[in-house]
Order: sequence, then C-alpha cells, then structure tokens
Amino acid sequence: EAGVAQSPRYKIIEKRQSVAFWCNPISGHATLYWYQQILGQGPKLLIQFQNNGVVDDSQLPKDRFSAERLKGVDSTLKIQPAKLEDSAVYLCASSSQGGNTQYFGPGTRLTVL
Amino acid sequence: GDSVTQMEGPVTLSEEAFLTINCTYTATGYPSLFWYVQYPGEGLQLLLKATKADDKGSNKGFEATYRKETTSFHLEKGSVQVSDSAVYFCALSDRPAGNNRKLIWGLGTSLAVNP
Repeated sequence: EAGVAQSPRYKIIEKRQSVAFWCNPISGHATLYWYQQILGQGPKLLIQFQNNGVVDDSQLPKDRFSAERLKGVDSTLKIQPAKLEDSAVYLCASSSQGGNTQYFGPGTRLTVL
Repeated sequence: GDSVTQMEGPVTLSEEAFLTINCTYTATGYPSLFWYVQYPGEGLQLLLKATKADDKGSNKGFEATYRKETTSFHLEKGSVQVSDSAVYFCALSDRPAGNNRKLIWGLGTSLAVNP
C-alpha cells in the first residue's frame, strides 16, 4: 500500500514570495491533515479536512495561508506572502474515516530567506 | 484540556543500553495513545499504539503499555542500537463526537545512541 506522498521535499524562497505544497493521502483515507513543524518542536495542526470539507482550521493563519482539497483526494497548501517565521517542515497526514491513527508523509522542508 | 507530557531530552545512551522515555497524559475520556518516531531529515513514522487500558503496543523491539491508573505510556527498549537515534513523540488521540479527532502531542524527546 502506498503511503502519503508529498512534494516538493525541499523549497527555498525569499520572503514575500509565494509557495505551494502538494499532498496525496493514502488511498481511501477520508481525513487529511496539514501540520507545521518548526525545528525542535512538535507538529502544530494547521488544517483538517474530512473529504473535501474543512473540519478544523482554527490555527491556520488565514491572512497568508490557504488550503484546498477540491475532490476529496489530494490537497494543496499555499503560503502567500511568505515570512521568515514560516521556515519549517510542512507535514501532511491522513487517516481513514473515524480512524484514530494518522499516517504521515515525508514532509516538505521550507526555508524562507 | 487534554495534554501530553514527555521527559525532556536529549537522552544519550551507549549501544545495547536499556531505554525508557517517560510519557504521561491528562484526558477527560478514553484516548488512544501513540508513539511516533522522527529520524533525522524525515517525516513522522508511527512506531506503536494502544487503544485501551492495559494494551501493550510493540514494534521493532520497542514496547509501551497503556496504564490508566498512572495515566502513563512509557516507551521502553531493552537494547538500543545506533540506528534508533531519532526524536520520539508521544501523542494521544481524543474521542470527541463527530469527525474532529485530533492528535495532542508531547514536545518530543531526542535520543542519541553512541557506538
């Protein structure tokens, strides 16, 4: 069974530029999560989707971050414009509907200069 | 609210030493408990889990037992290897109504194993 796929693995941009990350969850998983992990810290949930609907986006900085999951499968997270403090690893995870186990992708390491 | 407390790192051990990483939790209901591992430069991997009291999760020589009476889920391994060097995260999954299931994370414990 294929795991959670993410791309790109690494991205370097300058502040005020925009960037987008892509995630493809495990096949059949209805729930998709985006996390931000700053170096030396645990993951912070940014947004949770159930199929193509948003369940929780309370910690998403909506003035600059946006995410979509239009067909209830893959998802895109965008930052526009980026700030220095957005440098982090962005992790995507998925779980089956009602499941309590989240499976993570390899992450995208973003560096904002 | 629900929370997870892990022992602070870094933990440094010699190869073949015994490992314990303490994890305690507070939760109003009956959460599921998890240990995730993050190797350098990689994403999070599920190491083991337990879904009810007295369950023991195990994988790759690691074990943890869900202790409701002490609200603990300590990670143990009898003989660590250099390849076990990583950051270990304890987490719990609450069980609210509906679909808004979240993971509550500990801060992570860095383990370095020396040959």
